Amino acid sequence: NAGVTQTPKFRILKIGQSMTLQCTQDMNHNYMYWYRQDPGMGLKLIYYSVGAGITDKGEVPNGYNVSRSTTEDFPLRLELAAPSQTSVYFCASSYLRGWTGHAYEQYFGPGTRLTVT
Amino acid sequence: GESVGLHLPTLSVQEGDNSIINCAYSNSASDYFIWYKQESGKGPQFIIDIRSNMDKRQGQRVTVLLNKTVKHLSLQIAATQPGDSAVYFCAELYNFNKFYFGSGTKLNVKP
Repeated sequence: NAGVTQTPKFRILKIGQSMTLQCTQDMNHNYMYWYRQDPGMGLKLIYYSVGAGITDKGEVPNGYNVSRSTTEDFPLRLELAAPSQTSVYFCASSYLRGWTGHAYEQYFGPGTRLTVT
Repeated sequence: GESVGLHLPTLSVQEGDNSIINCAYSNSASDYFIWYKQESGKGPQFIIDIRSNMDKRQGQRVTVLLNKTVKHLSLQIAATQPGDSAVYFCAELYNFNKFYFGSGTKLNVKP
Protein backbone atom coordinates (compact mmCIF):
# COMPACT_ATOMS: atom_id res chain seq x y z
CA ASN A 1 0.00 0.00 0.00
CA ALA A 2 1.23 3.49 -0.83
CA GLY A 3 -0.85 4.99 2.00
CA VAL A 4 -1.70 8.66 1.48
CA THR A 5 -0.08 10.35 -1.50
CA GLN A 6 -0.10 14.06 -2.28
CA THR A 7 0.89 15.98 -5.38
CA PRO A 8 2.63 18.26 -6.03
CA LYS A 9 5.33 18.34 -3.34
CA PHE A 10 6.10 22.00 -3.94
CA ARG A 11 4.36 24.81 -5.82
CA ILE A 12 4.80 28.54 -6.23
CA LEU A 13 1.70 30.49 -7.24
CA LYS A 14 1.18 34.11 -8.15
CA ILE A 15 -1.55 36.05 -6.37
CA GLY A 16 -4.91 35.37 -8.00
CA GLN A 17 -3.90 32.08 -9.64
CA SER A 18 -5.80 28.85 -9.01
CA MET A 19 -4.64 25.33 -8.38
CA THR A 20 -5.76 21.94 -7.13
CA LEU A 21 -3.85 19.97 -4.55
CA GLN A 22 -4.32 16.26 -5.12
CA CYS A 23 -4.73 13.63 -2.40
CA THR A 24 -5.24 9.90 -2.86
CA GLN A 25 -5.39 7.07 -0.34
CA ASP A 26 -5.41 3.34 -1.06
CA MET A 27 -6.50 2.09 2.37
CA ASN A 28 -10.25 2.27 1.69
CA HIS A 29 -10.66 4.80 4.48
CA ASN A 30 -13.99 6.57 4.71
CA TYR A 31 -12.69 9.68 6.44
CA MET A 32 -10.39 12.17 4.73
CA TYR A 33 -9.08 15.55 5.90
CA TRP A 34 -7.21 18.59 4.68
CA TYR A 35 -5.03 20.58 7.09
CA ARG A 36 -2.73 23.51 6.72
CA GLN A 37 0.34 24.05 8.87
CA ASP A 38 1.91 27.48 9.13
CA PRO A 39 5.55 27.78 10.27
CA GLY A 40 6.00 26.79 13.91
CA MET A 41 2.31 26.11 14.35
CA GLY A 42 0.00 23.16 14.73
CA LEU A 43 -2.33 21.85 12.05
CA LYS A 44 -5.61 23.61 11.31
CA LEU A 45 -8.49 21.72 9.72
CA ILE A 46 -9.67 23.17 6.41
CA TYR A 47 -12.25 20.62 5.22
CA TYR A 48 -13.08 17.02 5.90
CA SER A 49 -15.15 14.26 4.38
CA VAL A 50 -16.85 11.26 5.99
CA GLY A 51 -17.40 9.46 2.70
CA ALA A 52 -17.85 9.89 -1.03
CA GLY A 53 -20.20 12.74 -1.76
CA ILE A 54 -20.09 14.17 1.78
CA THR A 55 -17.89 17.10 2.82
CA ASP A 56 -17.94 19.65 5.60
CA LYS A 57 -16.04 22.72 6.74
CA GLY A 58 -13.33 22.73 9.36
CA GLU A 59 -11.78 25.66 11.25
CA VAL A 60 -10.36 27.61 8.28
CA PRO A 61 -12.37 26.85 5.09
CA ASN A 62 -12.38 30.32 3.53
CA GLY A 63 -10.60 30.48 0.19
CA TYR A 64 -10.77 26.71 -0.38
CA ASN A 65 -13.12 24.18 -1.89
CA VAL A 66 -13.21 20.39 -1.87
CA SER A 67 -15.02 17.54 -3.54
CA ARG A 68 -15.17 13.80 -2.83
CA SER A 69 -16.45 11.88 -5.83
CA THR A 70 -14.65 8.65 -4.91
CA THR A 71 -13.48 6.99 -1.71
CA GLU A 72 -9.86 7.29 -2.79
CA ASP A 73 -9.57 10.93 -3.86
CA PHE A 74 -10.07 14.19 -1.98
CA PRO A 75 -8.74 17.18 -3.96
CA LEU A 76 -8.41 20.66 -2.44
CA ARG A 77 -9.04 23.64 -4.71
CA LEU A 78 -7.65 27.16 -4.25
CA GLU A 79 -9.56 29.52 -6.53
CA LEU A 80 -7.85 32.89 -6.02
CA ALA A 81 -4.53 32.38 -4.30
CA ALA A 82 -3.54 34.91 -1.64
CA PRO A 83 -0.25 35.31 0.29
CA SER A 84 -2.10 34.25 3.46
CA GLN A 85 -2.46 30.80 1.90
CA THR A 86 1.29 30.25 1.92
CA SER A 87 1.60 27.15 4.06
CA VAL A 88 2.26 23.42 4.09
CA TYR A 89 -0.86 21.42 3.30
CA PHE A 90 -1.40 17.92 4.66
CA CYS A 91 -4.01 15.43 3.62
CA ALA A 92 -4.97 12.65 6.01
CA SER A 93 -7.31 9.68 6.10
CA SER A 94 -8.70 7.41 8.78
CA TYR A 95 -11.21 4.62 9.36
CA LEU A 96 -13.88 3.89 11.90
CA ARG A 97 -13.23 1.51 14.75
CA GLY A 98 -16.11 -0.22 16.42
CA TRP A 99 -15.63 0.61 20.07
CA THR A 100 -16.23 4.32 19.80
CA GLY A 101 -17.60 4.83 16.33
CA HIS A 102 -15.17 7.70 16.09
CA ALA A 103 -12.57 8.19 13.39
CA TYR A 104 -9.02 8.29 14.63
CA GLU A 105 -5.41 7.33 13.99
CA GLN A 106 -5.18 9.55 10.98
CA TYR A 107 -2.61 8.61 8.37
CA PHE A 108 -0.93 11.65 6.89
CA GLY A 109 0.54 12.30 3.47
CA PRO A 110 3.98 13.90 3.04
CA GLY A 111 2.56 17.39 2.49
CA THR A 112 2.51 20.04 -0.24
CA ARG A 113 4.56 23.18 0.38
CA LEU A 114 2.75 26.12 -1.27
CA THR A 115 4.12 29.63 -1.64
CA VAL A 116 1.95 32.47 -2.94
CA THR A 117 3.81 35.59 -4.04
CA GLY B 1 -0.04 41.74 17.47
CA GLU B 2 -0.11 37.99 17.67
CA SER B 3 3.19 36.21 17.34
CA VAL B 4 3.63 34.39 14.06
CA GLY B 5 4.61 31.36 16.12
CA LEU B 6 8.00 30.83 14.53
CA HIS B 7 9.55 29.75 17.83
CA LEU B 8 8.04 26.58 19.20
CA PRO B 9 8.46 25.77 22.88
CA THR B 10 11.55 23.58 23.02
CA LEU B 11 12.43 20.84 25.47
CA SER B 12 16.07 19.81 25.53
CA VAL B 13 16.97 16.54 27.23
CA GLN B 14 20.03 14.37 27.50
CA GLU B 15 19.99 11.03 25.72
CA GLY B 16 18.80 8.37 28.15
CA ASP B 17 16.80 10.75 30.33
CA ASN B 18 13.01 10.74 30.50
CA SER B 19 11.06 13.45 28.67
CA ILE B 20 7.72 14.97 29.64
CA ILE B 21 5.82 17.02 27.08
CA ASN B 22 2.70 18.87 28.18
CA CYS B 23 -0.43 19.99 26.39
CA ALA B 24 -3.48 21.96 27.47
CA TYR B 25 -6.63 21.21 25.53
CA SER B 26 -9.49 23.57 25.03
CA ASN B 27 -12.81 21.76 25.11
CA SER B 28 -14.17 19.92 28.12
CA ALA B 29 -16.47 17.94 25.79
CA SER B 30 -13.52 16.39 23.92
CA ASP B 31 -13.54 12.66 24.55
CA TYR B 32 -10.55 11.33 22.70
CA PHE B 33 -6.95 12.50 22.37
CA ILE B 34 -3.92 11.59 20.29
CA TRP B 35 -0.24 12.41 20.50
CA TYR B 36 1.56 12.82 17.19
CA LYS B 37 5.24 13.02 16.31
CA GLN B 38 6.33 15.12 13.35
CA GLU B 39 9.84 14.86 11.99
CA SER B 40 11.24 17.62 9.85
CA GLY B 41 9.71 17.65 6.36
CA LYS B 42 7.22 14.88 7.09
CA GLY B 43 3.60 14.50 8.03
CA PRO B 44 2.56 13.78 11.64
CA GLN B 45 2.80 10.18 12.80
CA PHE B 46 0.52 8.58 15.40
CA ILE B 47 2.21 7.73 18.72
CA ILE B 48 -0.47 6.92 21.28
CA ASP B 49 -4.09 7.69 22.06
CA ILE B 50 -6.32 7.90 25.12
CA ARG B 51 -10.04 8.06 25.72
CA SER B 52 -11.59 10.46 28.20
CA ASN B 53 -12.70 7.63 30.51
CA MET B 54 -9.03 6.79 31.16
CA ASP B 55 -6.37 8.60 33.19
CA LYS B 56 -3.33 6.81 31.85
CA ARG B 57 -2.29 4.68 28.93
CA GLN B 58 1.06 3.07 28.25
CA GLY B 59 2.76 2.09 25.05
CA GLN B 60 6.28 1.09 24.21
CA ARG B 61 8.49 3.66 26.00
CA VAL B 62 5.62 6.18 26.00
CA THR B 63 2.90 6.97 28.53
CA VAL B 64 0.06 9.44 28.16
CA LEU B 65 -1.59 10.97 31.21
CA LEU B 66 -4.94 12.74 31.08
CA ASN B 67 -6.19 15.17 33.73
CA LYS B 68 -9.73 16.16 32.78
CA THR B 69 -10.15 18.45 35.78
CA VAL B 70 -7.58 20.90 34.44
CA LYS B 71 -7.84 19.84 30.76
CA HIS B 72 -4.25 18.74 30.58
CA LEU B 73 -2.43 15.97 28.73
CA SER B 74 1.15 14.88 29.07
CA LEU B 75 3.37 12.57 27.06
CA GLN B 76 6.17 10.82 28.86
CA ILE B 77 8.98 9.26 26.84
CA ALA B 78 11.26 6.90 28.74
CA ALA B 79 14.98 6.64 27.98
CA THR B 80 14.85 9.31 25.29
CA GLN B 81 16.86 8.55 22.17
CA PRO B 82 18.22 10.82 19.41
CA GLY B 83 15.57 9.41 17.08
CA ASP B 84 12.92 10.91 19.35
CA SER B 85 13.97 14.43 18.31
CA ALA B 86 10.93 15.92 16.59
CA VAL B 87 7.94 18.18 17.16
CA TYR B 88 5.19 16.62 19.25
CA PHE B 89 1.53 17.61 18.95
CA CYS B 90 -1.50 16.70 20.96
CA ALA B 91 -4.84 16.57 19.19
CA GLU B 92 -8.33 16.47 20.70
CA LEU B 93 -11.36 14.94 19.00
CA TYR B 94 -14.23 17.35 19.13
CA ASN B 95 -17.70 17.22 17.57
CA PHE B 96 -17.38 13.59 16.48
CA ASN B 97 -15.32 14.03 13.34
CA LYS B 98 -12.98 16.95 13.90
CA PHE B 99 -9.53 17.00 15.41
CA TYR B 100 -8.01 20.16 16.84
CA PHE B 101 -4.24 20.27 17.15
CA GLY B 102 -2.09 22.06 19.71
CA SER B 103 0.78 24.26 18.53
CA GLY B 104 3.43 21.67 19.35
CA THR B 105 6.59 21.24 21.39
CA LYS B 106 10.00 20.65 19.87
CA LEU B 107 11.99 17.90 21.58
CA ASN B 108 15.75 18.18 21.19
CA VAL B 109 17.73 15.15 22.39
CA LYS B 110 21.38 15.84 23.13
CA PRO B 111 23.79 12.92 22.66
